[in-house]
Amino acid sequence: DIQMTQSPSSLSASVGDRVTITCRASQSINRYLSWYQQKPGKAPKLLIYGVSNLQTGVPARFSGSGSGTDFTLAISSLQPEDFATYYCQQSYNTPRTFGQGTKLEIK
Amino acid sequence: QVQLVQSGADVKKPGASVKVSCKASGYTFNRYVMHWVRQAPGQRLEWMGWINAGNADTRYSQKFQGRVTMTGDTSATTVYMELSSLKSEDTAVYYCAREGAYDFWSPYLGGLDRTDAFDIWGQGTMVTVSS
Repeated sequence: DIQMTQSPSSLSASVGDRVTITCRASQSINRYLSWYQQKPGKAPKLLIYGVSNLQTGVPARFSGSGSGTDFTLAISSLQPEDFATYYCQQSYNTPRTFGQGTKLEIK
Repeated sequence: QVQLVQSGADVKKPGASVKVSCKASGYTFNRYVMHWVRQAPGQRLEWMGWINAGNADTRYSQKFQGRVTMTGDTSATTVYMELSSLKSEDTAVYYCAREGAYDFWSPYLGGLDRTDAFDIWGQGTMVTVSS
């Protein structure tokens, strides 16, 4: 199974800050990488697919980059609604696997 | 609008089985694959398997092979996930999630490639396993 490792596991930031979250795969996954946002008690929401493609309706302050084994999610100017947990997920093969999550908290 | 509505919370004893339903609406049901993902308290998301709603093909995670069964009812636009021989470690929120297919530019190919992602999620069903 492909292991997905995110860093950091938690992050404190302020409204207006720029933050980045990294995700590393245990083997190359080409560009088959998605990012999800999950708020407490809610289902995950797709933000980005194919490393850098924003899902319809996702604000442009979200961006993704990377290829192979190393990937990054960036949020350019944090808004109050962005404080949540973020997961990366590979769709290179089965079983689909997720990172352990990065909890973004308000400083 | 496109949505997935799951059955309500359930409490089961160890050794029992649970069956969770996921009703789809707002799109052509049999054109999509549906996945099941679970999340134990404070844990990461864990993929369990998928069912092709069109032809009922299934693929399960090895971790759940032999204990999980995914089925579908096209007339009811509903998929089901049944997990048997429940243990306390199966206490989790269970989600159904639709697989969306996306074309994107690939520098590896110098052209379009296709990927998939979980684009629509159910609201989740809490299953508690306790004696």
